[in-house]
Amino acid sequence: EAQVTQNPRYLITVTGKKLTVTCSQNMNHEYMSWYRQDPGLGLRQIYYSMNVEVTDKGDVPEGYKVSRKEKRNFPLILESPSPNQTSLYFCASRSPGGGPGETQYFGPGTRLLVL
Amino acid sequence: GEDVEQSLFLSVREGDSSVINCTYTDSSSTYLYWYKQEPGAGLQLLTYIFSNMDMKQDQRLTVLLNKKDKHLSLRIADTQTGDSAIYFCAEPNYGGSQGNLIFGKGTKLSVKP
Repeated sequence: EAQVTQNPRYLITVTGKKLTVTCSQNMNHEYMSWYRQDPGLGLRQIYYSMNVEVTDKGDVPEGYKVSRKEKRNFPLILESPSPNQTSLYFCASRSPGGGPGETQYFGPGTRLLVL
Repeated sequence: GEDVEQSLFLSVREGDSSVINCTYTDSSSTYLYWYKQEPGAGLQLLTYIFSNMDMKQDQRLTVLLNKKDKHLSLRIADTQTGDSAIYFCAEPNYGGSQGNLIFGKGTKLSVKP
């Protein structure tokens, strides 16, 4: 089954304690990205990756890091989490090109609370 | 810059039609999308429309596109309680990363029995 998986699904942490949210896709997609979803703000892109070892900032990259060492994995790293990073995070992947068939597939989400 | 706007809430009774509206800004968008987010879940593509179309129908869903006004709507006929979700309108972000979509803030549809 084609899917994007994220772990953990729920996480409560404290300010300053480094954490990593993993993302993995089994569709051999080149493009992957991370979004955060906040009430009243919709989805905002944090980082994206066009392929292995190719990453770039999205709209709200501050406080986040990513890496793309393998095609299937795209972890999101919070080196020093702060309460304003409390949010719902989504990983997504798609294959390149355009058109409706190249839709983005979203993971189930990771709900993060930073105390 | 590109922006996608939609109303935040819509409440309907079961069996009625729901109409969710969206406005977008990039007239060069080739495709426009509707995503559905059920409670506790990620976003799933619901339907899409190619920009050279005015209307697309898919079972209970009807998408209308007015390119002149940059207005997109999603109509759900015979709305059911299972349709309760947040619906996002999205357009490609040609000015940004390839493959990125710009999402509206989402319309929360509540269906009352």
